[in-house]
Amino acid sequence: SQQGEEDPQALSIQEGENATMNCSYKTSINNLQWYRQNSGRGLVHLILIRSNEREKHSGRLRVTLDTSKKSSSLLITASRAADTASYFCATDEGAQKLVFGQGTRLTINP
Amino acid sequence: SAVISQKPSRDICQRGTSLTIQCQVDSQVTMMFWYRQQPGQSLTLIATANQGSEATYESGFVIDKFPISRPNLTFSTLTVSNMSPEDSSIYLCSVDRTGVENEQFFGPGTRLTVL
Repeated sequence: SQQGEEDPQALSIQEGENATMNCSYKTSINNLQWYRQNSGRGLVHLILIRSNEREKHSGRLRVTLDTSKKSSSLLITASRAADTASYFCATDEGAQKLVFGQGTRLTINP
Repeated sequence: SAVISQKPSRDICQRGTSLTIQCQVDSQVTMMFWYRQQPGQSLTLIATANQGSEATYESGFVIDKFPISRPNLTFSTLTVSNMSPEDSSIYLCSVDRTGVENEQFFGPGTRLTVL
């Protein structure tokens, strides 16, 4: 399987601004998930969007999914310093296996 | 939610040696997963470990290099054998939280440096 692509690879914004990250994938999926990783530690699950859903919200997070374009976006509103982390999309392509994107390194400047 | 611990959290090893990483879950799970994350890179699945059967390895990973044990439903080990500097990575275990949608919980990772 091939890993998805994320852009941008790195993003630096001011605290309070919104951050948008994009993910593209290549095959049909059951769902798409977003994870956060702080400083090379374990990943934390943020949100899951199913293939028949177009948009999902969780707190300051908004995820969209466009299966016709095989792409997803993660929006973090009103960013905080604590949001500084790497963000990964992961696609569930069946066979109970996740395929992770390359990740976006987000830095929130105070 | 599942609580997952890994031991060791980090290690520095000499070339040619082996290291066994332990992963402990606080609840019984059917499937456990082992990933490798090379410096500055994304996660790559090494293998899926089911209790009572042989692990299923992904392309590019072999049992001789990464033997895995899964003696019960809460524990697994991954051994990195005959290490070289290219094996320097973070190794993470995870479990499928729901058993339905493959939403995974991750351990804190083991940071391995091979000299």
